[in-house]
Amino acid sequence: DVKVTQSSRYLVKRTGEKVFLECVQDMDHENMFWYRQDPGLGLRLIYFSYDVKMKEKGDIPEGYSVSREKKERFSLILESASTNQTSMYLCASSPHTSGYTDTQYFGPGTRLTVL
Amino acid sequence: AQSVAQPEDQVNVAEGNPLTVKCTYSVSGNPYLFWYVQYPNRGLQFLLKYITGDNLVKGSYGFEAEFNKSQTSFHLKKPSALVSDSALYFCAVRPNSGYSTLTFGKGTMLLVSP
Repeated sequence: DVKVTQSSRYLVKRTGEKVFLECVQDMDHENMFWYRQDPGLGLRLIYFSYDVKMKEKGDIPEGYSVSREKKERFSLILESASTNQTSMYLCASSPHTSGYTDTQYFGPGTRLTVL
Repeated sequence: AQSVAQPEDQVNVAEGNPLTVKCTYSVSGNPYLFWYVQYPNRGLQFLLKYITGDNLVKGSYGFEAEFNKSQTSFHLKKPSALVSDSALYFCAVRPNSGYSTLTFGKGTMLLVSP
């Protein structure tokens, strides 16, 4: 079974802090994604990566950055956390096949609260 | 730009009754369509997908979905609901060509009463 793990289930940070959210997958997937989930808004894509050291902006990248130094690990960074970044953050991975038809596998999520 | 609409925030159904969770989409060209489920305090789990071929797709836990190109819909169905089906359901779409990410709907909460 594919396993996607996220470093924390719950996180509380203060405004202005630098925050790191870590995601690790164990299935040698090329693609990795970071979403945020908010009630009434569904899932929105923040950043994604199709290869090591490669990153692409999603729909809402402002205030975030990412790092992918190893294939299995994809980190989301909040350079200076703000209260409007309080949310559930979901990481996902998928294999890289022709046409990108493959299923995404999700981690359990990190619920971040910024005070 | 691609989009997904899930017109119902919540669907209520009694255990044993059939259920339908609605999804309509907009995409350039032909779509790839997905349904995911999220149980409380869990990440999303894949249920089923439509890529091509048969319009009726069968998935996990007895769920199925029907692709209707003329109505641009991909409704999720189950003949007999279980209380354990209560969860948040997401529909997602992407075009079937080129490099594109998934666009998710806002989700529909399904509540199955005993």
